[in-house]
Amino acid sequence: RKEVEQDPGPFNVPEGATVAFNCTYSNSASQSFFWYRQDCRKEPKLLMSVYSSGNEDGRFTAQLNRASQYISLLIRDSKLSDSATYLCVVNGANAGNMLTFGGGTRLMVKP
Amino acid sequence: GAGVSQSPRYKVAKRGQDVALRCDPISGHVSLFWYQQALGQGPEFLTYFQNEAQLDKSGLPSDRFFAERPEGSVSTLKIQRTQQEDSAVYLCASSFRQFSYNEQFFGPGTRLTVL
Repeated sequence: RKEVEQDPGPFNVPEGATVAFNCTYSNSASQSFFWYRQDCRKEPKLLMSVYSSGNEDGRFTAQLNRASQYISLLIRDSKLSDSATYLCVVNGANAGNMLTFGGGTRLMVKP
Repeated sequence: GAGVSQSPRYKVAKRGQDVALRCDPISGHVSLFWYQQALGQGPEFLTYFQNEAQLDKSGLPSDRFFAERPEGSVSTLKIQRTQQEDSAVYLCASSFRQFSYNEQFFGPGTRLTVL
């Protein structure tokens, strides 16, 4: 079983739609949580950190449920430019604080 | 400002050839990480440096993989006797400090194809 699991998609949605991605992680010692975005043939870039209290950045809302070891990302009013792969990431379960990535969820926003 | 840079961007190697991949982290960043990303997968951890010390190499897939960061800045990932299964994108990331909440900044990667 992978440490971080995501539905690979693709999620095909029309512009303006609301879409939600979920992710589960297996290591309860994980300390920090993130969503990274990766465009085709590009490097991952931090989209947002995820906090237990939930946090919002414009059209993006992230939530963490430590008890269920579950992370979510909600995108409202989808734009064509939101088309990318969204990587669920956990950190801090090991001394080196390396990132452990899920396999990514692919989003395609269509006109 | 300058981000993380990697070279070469693309490398084609014949099976059995040795390759060296270079990473220039953001100036002043203490932590440096190497990840391997296979097609259609998320990146997977290879190794971690704090300054010049290699503190974790648990992700290196075999003893053909070797990484160094001798002066605590530039890092090189070397793969000896490359195999087809080594074909992947090799990503380098750096962060200012070693804390788990610190953002890691990724370079563009080196796409290695082993024929």
